[in-house]
Amino acid sequence: QKEVEQNSGPLSVPEGAIASLNCTYSDRGSQSFFWYRQYSGKSPELIMFIYSNGDKEDGRFTAQLNKASQYVSLLIRDSQPSDSATYLCAVPFRAGGTSYGKLTFGQGTILTVHP
Amino acid sequence: GAGVSQSPSNKVTEKGKDVELRCDPISGHTALYWYRQSLGQGLEFLIYFQGNSAPDKSGLPSDRFSAERTGGSVSTLTIQRTQQEDSAVYLCASSPRGLAGKETQYFGPGTRLLVL
Repeated sequence: QKEVEQNSGPLSVPEGAIASLNCTYSDRGSQSFFWYRQYSGKSPELIMFIYSNGDKEDGRFTAQLNKASQYVSLLIRDSQPSDSATYLCAVPFRAGGTSYGKLTFGQGTILTVHP
Repeated sequence: GAGVSQSPSNKVTEKGKDVELRCDPISGHTALYWYRQSLGQGLEFLIYFQGNSAPDKSGLPSDRFSAERTGGSVSTLTIQRTQQEDSAVYLCASSPRGLAGKETQYFGPGTRLLVL
């Protein structure tokens, strides 16, 4: 089992719809989770960071964390064509119960929002 | 500078040649990370510098890869005797203090390496 897993997609949604992106992780002790967006040919940029169970909202983006089920999701409301990108889930590497700064990334989900 | 910068932006080299990739982190950031992204793949951790501590080299794929960070700022990733499978985008990131799991990592634009 990979440490961080995402459905590679592509996920296609119509403009204005809700896009739902999912990520599962294998280390039950993981405490914090990052969502990065990467446009084609560009570098990743952080869009959400979550460490508490439940929801965290920032504008049109909502991150949902369920530690018991070991998944974290990203919802994008009112999706726009400009949201078309690859979304990467990342978890800090852990060993021996200690978290480190380096991140383990999922493979990314390609999202396409069509007009 | 305003962000993480990397040079060169693109590098084409012949198999067997050595290459050096440079990263300038955000001023004042003590943590610096190198990742690699192959076509259609996620980001793969390579090496991590945190202040004056010994670097975490656990992600380097072979002894042909090495990196250094001078004066706690600029970092150079060196690949010796390049192979075609080294072709990828090499991304550098920095964060303020390297607090495990609690900081945003800011990525540079990457260096696209093509080994012929």
